[in-house]
Amino acid sequence: DADVTQTPRNRITKTGKRIMLECSQTKGHDRMYWYRQDPGLGLRLIYYSFDVKDINKGEISDGYSVSRQAQAKFSLSLESAIPNQTALYFCATSDFRVQGPQHFGDGTRLSIL
Amino acid sequence: AQKITQTQPGMFVQEKEAVTLDCTYDTSDQSYGLFWYKQPSSGEMIFLIYQGSYDEQNATEGRYSLNFQKARKSANLVISASQLGDSAMYFCAMRELSLGGAQKLVFGQGTRLTINP
Repeated sequence: DADVTQTPRNRITKTGKRIMLECSQTKGHDRMYWYRQDPGLGLRLIYYSFDVKDINKGEISDGYSVSRQAQAKFSLSLESAIPNQTALYFCATSDFRVQGPQHFGDGTRLSIL
Repeated sequence: AQKITQTQPGMFVQEKEAVTLDCTYDTSDQSYGLFWYKQPSSGEMIFLIYQGSYDEQNATEGRYSLNFQKARKSANLVISASQLGDSAMYFCAMRELSLGGAQKLVFGQGTRLTINP
């Protein structure tokens, strides 16, 4: 089983719909992150959380919200999806070590028509 | 603000040759970390190697090594004896520490590496 699991893996939806992407992890990490990747570009940070009670905006948080339901669960919501939110979305986790890598889920490919 | 630059959008290399993927960075922090990730066509992000700013030796992980030149602010990834399975996008990223210790990674735009048989 994957250490960082994202659901769904693929989603096609219409403009204006509310969408939730879910992430769960079994690594025991307290830090969790949401990124988006647009074609031909690197990843950009949407939100991050370093424990259940702490959530912070990243570089591109407008149009998104998050919920940290438990240490192991971090969900990303698009309240009213728009076509330019079509992208590949990644959840990641890390532990307390500054040299520790972030561990990524397999991504959710989201298309908004 | 931190910035990562990968100047090679694409590279083509013959199988078994060594390849160097360039990465330069810009930061005013004294303490930072540099990561390389591989993204195959299937889309997942795979961690390859890490270099800390205070590490005196270049990092190595199997066929991967990081040519860290601090004064030049470069952190190039070297893949020795390339294999067909090395064909992928490669991203350089820099760790930015936020208040509270959450790592924020800033990514470059990536280099698409194609290994030819």
